[in-house]
Amino acid sequence: EAEVAQSPRYKITEKSQAVAFWCDPISGHATLYWYRQILGQGPELLVQFQDESVVDDSQLPKDRFSAERLKGVDSTLKIQPAELGDSAMYLCASSIPRDRGTNEQFFGPGTRLTVL
Amino acid sequence: EDKVVQSPLSLVVHEGDTVTLNCSYEVTNFRSLLWYKQEKKAPTFLFMLTSSGIEKKSGRLSSILDKKELFSILNITATQTGDSAIYLCAVGYGKLTFGQGTILTVHP
Repeated sequence: EAEVAQSPRYKITEKSQAVAFWCDPISGHATLYWYRQILGQGPELLVQFQDESVVDDSQLPKDRFSAERLKGVDSTLKIQPAELGDSAMYLCASSIPRDRGTNEQFFGPGTRLTVL
Repeated sequence: EDKVVQSPLSLVVHEGDTVTLNCSYEVTNFRSLLWYKQEKKAPTFLFMLTSSGIEKKSGRLSSILDKKELFSILNITATQTGDSAIYLCAVGYGKLTFGQGTILTVHP
C-alpha cells in the first residue's frame, strides 16, 4: 500500500542550528501539506503545495521557516535557526486534487523534533 | 477563522463500553468534516462527512454530522484496548483545521 515517506523520524538539535525535514508524498498526489503538532494539540497547517506552487503559507513563520517542492513531487521543510519552541512533531500529508471529489489526506509517520 | 472544539479532552473506559466523542465547529464555508485516529504515530483517516453524507459507519465505529447545530459525534461500540488513541476532528477542504483531540484510554 502506498504511503507518505518522511525522514528523519527523529531529530535532536541545539537552538540556533539549522534543521531540514524531507517528505515524499504518495505517487500521483498533487497536493502536499506540512503540519506542526505540538504535544497535546491537534496538527496546525504550516504550508500547502499544489504541485510546485505554494497555495497557503499564511501560518508559516517565514523569518525562520522555509519550504519548497521544486519539481512538484517531494518536499523539504527547513528551520533556521531553530528555537526551543519549535520542538514538535512535523507531519507531512498528501491528497489527490480537490476536484476529484475527496478531501482525504494521508499522513506520513512524522519527524519528532527536539530543540535543546 | 475556522475553529474546532472537541470534548471530552480525555476519557477512560473499560473494554466493552460504548463511547461518544464530540466535535463542534465554526467555519465560514463548510465543505467537510473529517475524523482521524492517532496512535503513537501519524493520524489515520476514519471518516469524512459532507452535506451529502452525514452518516458513516465502519464496523464498531460510526459518525454523524449535524450541520444545523454545527457538531459531529463519533461513536465506538464494544470498545477494545486497540481503540486506545487520540481521536482528532478536522474541518476544511484542502487546508484542514484540527481540534485538540480526545485521548481515549480503554482498560482491559
